[in-house]
This record gives sequence, structure tokens and C-alpha cells, in this order.
Amino acid sequence: DGGITQSPKYLFRKEGQNVTLSCEQNLNHDAMYWYRQDPGQGLRLIYYSQIVNDFQKGDIAEGYSVSREKKESFPLTVTSAQKNPTAFYLCASNIQGAGAFFGQGTRLTVV
Amino acid sequence: GEDVEQSLFLSVREGDSSVINCTYTDSSSTYLYWYKQEPGAGLQLLTYIFSNMDMKQDQRLTVLLNKKDKHLSLRIADTQTGDSAIYFCAEMGSDSWGKLQFGAGTQVVVTP
Repeated sequence: DGGITQSPKYLFRKEGQNVTLSCEQNLNHDAMYWYRQDPGQGLRLIYYSQIVNDFQKGDIAEGYSVSREKKESFPLTVTSAQKNPTAFYLCASNIQGAGAFFGQGTRLTVV
Repeated sequence: GEDVEQSLFLSVREGDSSVINCTYTDSSSTYLYWYKQEPGAGLQLLTYIFSNMDMKQDQRLTVLLNKKDKHLSLRIADTQTGDSAIYFCAEMGSDSWGKLQFGAGTQVVVTP
């Protein structure tokens, strides 16, 4: 089945630790995105990539990093510089105009 | 910057119609979308409308777009308990590289 796979579903991070969230798609989409969702809020864009080996900061990129070495993969690293990382993280990919297709999300909690 | 606003909550009785409203500010929006999110899950694309259309119907879903007022609505006919979820409106501008600007979401609760 074609789709977007995010892993893990739940992730716990200790203070000062970097963690990486995985996002893989087999839809052959060029563009991929990372959004953050906090309770009662809409989605805010962290990073996006239109093509392999290129990515751009979104509205809330501070404390996050990404890579795009393959078309299918767009991992997100939450660094220790992100002071409030507890949130629901959603990865998406799209073809222009057809709308973004989302993974099932990763819930990150700081312990 | 661009802004998308939605009412936060809607309660509807099973079998009635639901109408969820959304306003946006970006006059260059090319596509407008409705997404559904169930608890703990990702977003599911329900439907979308191109900015040169004023209505789109897809089974129980009807999207109305008033481009002059920058107002979008989603009507769900014969609302079922399985329609209980958060519904997000999103818009994509003409030069936004596919990035979507989301509203805060409308929590729809369907009561028997």
C-alpha cells in the first residue's frame, strides 16, 4: 500500500537529549513536510523539502534539524536546543494542488 | 501573514447536517482543503476546492467557497457518530511551495 510511515508512534526524551523521528513515503512525492501540533492549536510548519538534498525552514524551525538524502525519507531531529519539545509531530508529503497526505504521527514526551 | 480562523466547537445531533465554517486572509490562495483528525491519529484529507470554484460536492460532503468574503464552509449531511472528530481548514497560496496554512481546528461532537 502507498502511504507515509512515521516511527516510532510514541517517543520519550530525557532533558538534553537529541532524538530523531523517522518519516518514509512510497508515494513518489517530491515534497515533504514536518508539522508540529499542540493541544487546541492548528499545525505549525517546522521544515519542508521540495527536492532531495534541499530543505527550507518553516515557521518554527529553531531547535530542529532535518536531512533529505533520499526522496523517500525525511527524518526530523529534535535537538536539546528545543526548549519545549513535547508535542505531536506530523510528517506529510504532497503533489502540488492535490493536498498533503499525512502519516499517523509521533507523540514526543520529555521525561 | 496569512491567517486561517475556525470556530472551536460544534455539537450536532445524529442525522442532522453539520456546517463548519472557516475564514482566511490570503487572497492568493489557490487551493483550500478540509482535513479530519480522529484522536491520536494523523490528518485525513476529506476534500478540497480550487479557488475558481464556488461549490464542490462529494457524497455527504459539500464545500462552499465565497472568494470575495474569503469564507469556506464544509457541510456534512446526515451526520453520524463516526463523524465526531476535529476538522481542519487549510489553504495553500500560489507561491507557497505546497505549504499549508492551517486553522486551529473545529471539534465536532455528534450526539445520539
